[in-house]
Amino acid sequence: NAGVTQTPKFQVLKTGQSMTLQCAQDMNHNSMYWYRQDPGMGLRLIYYSASEGTTDKGEVPNGYNVSRLNKREFSLRLESAAPSQTSVYFCASRAGQLAIETQYFGPGTRLLVL
Amino acid sequence: AQSVTQLGSHVSVSEGALVLLRCNYSSSVPPYLFWYVQYPNQGLQLLLKYTSAATLVKGINGFEAEFKKSETSFHLTKPSAHMSDAAEYFCAVSATGNQFYFGTGTSLTVIP
Repeated sequence: NAGVTQTPKFQVLKTGQSMTLQCAQDMNHNSMYWYRQDPGMGLRLIYYSASEGTTDKGEVPNGYNVSRLNKREFSLRLESAAPSQTSVYFCASRAGQLAIETQYFGPGTRLLVL
Repeated sequence: AQSVTQLGSHVSVSEGALVLLRCNYSSSVPPYLFWYVQYPNQGLQLLLKYTSAATLVKGINGFEAEFKKSETSFHLTKPSAHMSDAAEYFCAVSATGNQFYFGTGTSLTVIP
């Protein structure tokens, strides 16, 4: 049982390049999330998926797209990377949509955009 | 709407001293509250959560937190700090909808 896994662990991009961050969970969770973490700002929600086939914007969606490929996988795409997207990206999952449920986090992807 | 405020972005304590990390929340409905810990270069790990079953919540690694509705607080404490407690700590609130709201984090340094 690996929990939430993310690839790659680290990536360097040039401005304007594109890339996809991958996330998978093996806990049979319905809800999945993408956050970015920046110094002094905590975690901010980019997009989330309440169930397979649905996605919704979070607090900071601009410059990103997501795909809920199936119940296990939730990918985050940067179409044209900008230096402002340099951050640490975390994927998380939760069993359902009840407020009481815990979110479980992956180890993160560290992205540097030059 | 929900939000969380963590007072003190950096806290330093001596090894063996009391750890107190502050969290105040704002919520228009009864909230569920969480404390997460993040060790360097790792993801977030759940320490404990408040689910309304008891106001004093015990978590892993000797941490506990007390929910005080009158003060809208959910402060994290540990009686005796250990070097391995050095990490970033995040408070989060979940009330309605499908989102968590995180505080900006508190970095804990333990001085030997």
